Amino acid sequence: EIVLTQSPGTLSLSPGERATLSCRASQSVSSSYLAWYQQNPGQAPRLLIYGASNRATGIPDRFSGSGSGTDFTLTISRLEPEDFAVYYCQQYGSSLSFGQGTRLEIK
Amino acid sequence: VQLVESGGGLAQPGGSLRLSCAASGFTFSNYAMHWVRQAPGKGLESVSGISTNGGSTYYANSVKGRFTISRDNSRNTLYLQMGSLRAEDMAVYYCARDPAYCSSTSCYYFYMDVWGKGTTVTVSS
Repeated sequence: EIVLTQSPGTLSLSPGERATLSCRASQSVSSSYLAWYQQNPGQAPRLLIYGASNRATGIPDRFSGSGSGTDFTLTISRLEPEDFAVYYCQQYGSSLSFGQGTRLEIK
Repeated sequence: VQLVESGGGLAQPGGSLRLSCAASGFTFSNYAMHWVRQAPGKGLESVSGISTNGGSTYYANSVKGRFTISRDNSRNTLYLQMGSLRAEDMAVYYCARDPAYCSSTSCYYFYMDVWGKGTTVTVSS
């Protein structure tokens, strides 16, 4: 099973700043089969990125994904108030597994 | 496009519950489906998944032998039969859609592009 480790656990930033979230896999994720989700409190997760770098339908272009192999990054270029949430990565290159999440909080 | 879960509630340890997920706004039979759960204050765990025609399923080790996933494409509905419930099964259960690649006997699962709002399962005596 591929284990995904997200860092940092909590990221404190201000609106307008740039956020960089990391997801590291215990072994290489084939074909960059990695997705990112956003979850606001009390809500269901929402797909942001699939295939490591493809934005899902309706996702603003301030969200971008990059990476390959074992290291992946979600970048939010300019934080909006609604972006403060928990973010999860998920790999689908070998079965399915989720990272433990990164909480993005307002500084 | 909508997924609506139901069937959650209070169950005793060792008891059973059946969750349902009603799909609308898309061709249900074209998509694999998952149940994903989230224990209070915890992260996401993929519990079970099923291929487009129901011919292929998977289960997390934590629920194998106790939970059964199924689907009725004529009713656009996904199910999760939960048995031998334990305290650690207490969570919000989400159903989610997956644009997976499935053949008649196997399925390559991808990501979850549509989620329901979830149904809460509480296990307590």
